Amino acid sequence: KQEVTQIPAALSVPEGENLVLNCSFTDSAIYNLQWFRQDPGKGLTSLLLIQSSQREQTSGRLNASLDKSSGRSTLYIAASQPGDSATYLCAVRDNTDKLIFGTGTRLQVFP
Amino acid sequence: ETGVTQSPTHLIKTRGQQVTLRCSSQSGHNTVSWYQQALGQGPQFIFQYYREEENGRGNFPPRFSGLQFPNYSSELNVNALELDDSALYLCASSLDQAGELFFGEGSRLTVL
Repeated sequence: KQEVTQIPAALSVPEGENLVLNCSFTDSAIYNLQWFRQDPGKGLTSLLLIQSSQREQTSGRLNASLDKSSGRSTLYIAASQPGDSATYLCAVRDNTDKLIFGTGTRLQVFP
Repeated sequence: ETGVTQSPTHLIKTRGQQVTLRCSSQSGHNTVSWYQQALGQGPQFIFQYYREEENGRGNFPPRFSGLQFPNYSSELNVNALELDDSALYLCASSLDQAGELFFGEGSRLTVL
């Protein structure tokens, strides 16, 4: 059974720091992995999608990497801003098309 | 291009009642999936519809059922509501069964 874990559960950093959020999964037989952002009480906003054949994806200040063999993905946020404060969720899509989410990392960036 | 829209945004029901939640998929998307998100938890997969057929289901009892219509919009029905059904229900659409997901803002259900 696929399990997805995110570490740390919460993170508080000063504005301007570069930071790394971690996502690990137990079964490497995934189709793709997607990172999302969720603001309190809101829906999810897609940040990056990495196909199983890819190693990384970049969008602006965000970079996500995928190491399928070790069951890990990282989301790198450069030059963090207060507007980046949110919960970040990773989700893996298994080969039956189910999407399995981690419990998220709650990020606070203070001025 | 309109995004994924869900209705209602908030609703309150009592135990034992039934509820229907609605979702309009993003233009051009033929796949819709539903998720339940309890407070402080990640979303849990309920089921997915592709071209009006259910093609995947998570660990939810049969009282959670759904439909997808020819225009690819979808409904989630929950019968015999229980207190633990209180959650944010999220709908997502994608271009195909394994594509990038785009979520709506969710329907917040409270069961008293």
